[in-house]
Amino acid sequence: GAVVSQHPSRVICKSGTSVKIECRSLDFQATTMFWYRQFPKQSLMLMATSNEGSKATYEQGVEKDKFLINHASLTLSTLTVTSAHPEDSSFYICSARGGEGIDEQFFGPGTRLTVL
Amino acid sequence: QKEVEQDPGPLSVPEGAIVSLNCTYSNSAFQYFMWYRQYSRKGPELLMYTYSSGNKEDGRFTAQVDKSSKYISLFIRDSQPSDSATYLCAMSRSTLGRLYFGRGTQLTVWP
Repeated sequence: GAVVSQHPSRVICKSGTSVKIECRSLDFQATTMFWYRQFPKQSLMLMATSNEGSKATYEQGVEKDKFLINHASLTLSTLTVTSAHPEDSSFYICSARGGEGIDEQFFGPGTRLTVL
Repeated sequence: QKEVEQDPGPLSVPEGAIVSLNCTYSNSAFQYFMWYRQYSRKGPELLMYTYSSGNKEDGRFTAQVDKSSKYISLFIRDSQPSDSATYLCAMSRSTLGRLYFGRGTQLTVWP
């Protein structure tokens, strides 16, 4: 399958700081990228859907001013957690869609965010 | 009620056992049913997907969907220690629709 990378793989930051997570599709172009959050022993919860060149669509309950998403190119989307707090500590996973098939959505390896 | 329910386990079986993993759902509009495997601290990878009701087999893996009961299953035959992972079911209304995930079942296959 196609490869999606995320950077950094883990980050520890102090409360109140902002953290940027990058998601890249390495060998395909992705018009749509998704950002998920996964708490321990919980399911992946979709946070937002981003299409290249347009504003992200956020799921209900996700603060768009806190979780800034930029999808500036067909291979890169970024998630910025602004003014992070301990409750934002989680595993953040992106996925990228390379085509219209159900098997054409590929997941990144995730970023472990710990806010002290 | 959550859209997708999945028993988180953990499930521990000896090598060679047949493993049965299940999910139930409430939304009858779901048409695509997926099983993902997720190793610790990694992103999910797609194992199999099925459209509508029926069975699908791929090597040691068999996926079953019963839309009338809103129940899906994944069977793993001749399980191996390398199958140890968390298995997540996911569903979607269409190929381009958002995915709804279960909590995942943690499976350990011991030698």
